[in-house]
Amino acid sequence: DAKTTQPNSMESNEEEPVHLPCNHSTISGTDYIHWYRQLPSQGPEYVIHGLTSNVNNRMASLAIAEDRKSSTLILHRATLRDAAVYYCTAINDMRFGAGTRLTVKP
Amino acid sequence: DTEVTQTPKHLVMGMTNKKSLKCEQHMGHRAMYWYKQKAKKPPELMFVYSYEKLSINESVPSRFSPECPNSSLLNLHLHALQPEDSALYLCASSQGPWGGPGQIGAKNIQYFGAGTRLSVL
Repeated sequence: DAKTTQPNSMESNEEEPVHLPCNHSTISGTDYIHWYRQLPSQGPEYVIHGLTSNVNNRMASLAIAEDRKSSTLILHRATLRDAAVYYCTAINDMRFGAGTRLTVKP
Repeated sequence: DTEVTQTPKHLVMGMTNKKSLKCEQHMGHRAMYWYKQKAKKPPELMFVYSYEKLSINESVPSRFSPECPNSSLLNLHLHALQPEDSALYLCASSQGPWGGPGQIGAKNIQYFGAGTRLSVL
């Protein structure tokens, strides 16, 4: 069973920031948090990962709670191309939870 | 090159056929994975190979038979499939070997192929 919890769906307007939450209350101290996204008709693609500190890359930012029981993926300016299913994994066995389907409105 | 190549892109087979799915990566990755994905569902882990040895089999029916001939290649042999096996089959690879708890980090970033869409008639 997946040990991450995400909202089933979220909506955003184009060019606005999007905050995608993930709960991983059973995370162990050495498990990293990974985020992937799956665009329509494609395989999942890596977005970002982190352990304890907040992380930034060209695609997104990852904010990790101090107790590491939750994290938030931040897309600073959503585009139509960001419409996808976003998965967080914070468990040690590469299994995906249900993910969040992000819809971006023009 | 961060590409994982899966062939064929589409496959239609009868329940009595034998077919194979192929996955290839040239990133020097030592772990490779097979996932099955039904429509509107997340990918489900099927098999994990680490250093060309089968590390995880998620109780997958024997009509699916994985094979890892070398570190760059992963096959999934299909025989006597059922219509409910119709799905998108995804292959992935990661740099690090499968190490269990605490092993997820930069070395376990997975790179996915585009998948093979399988229809079983």
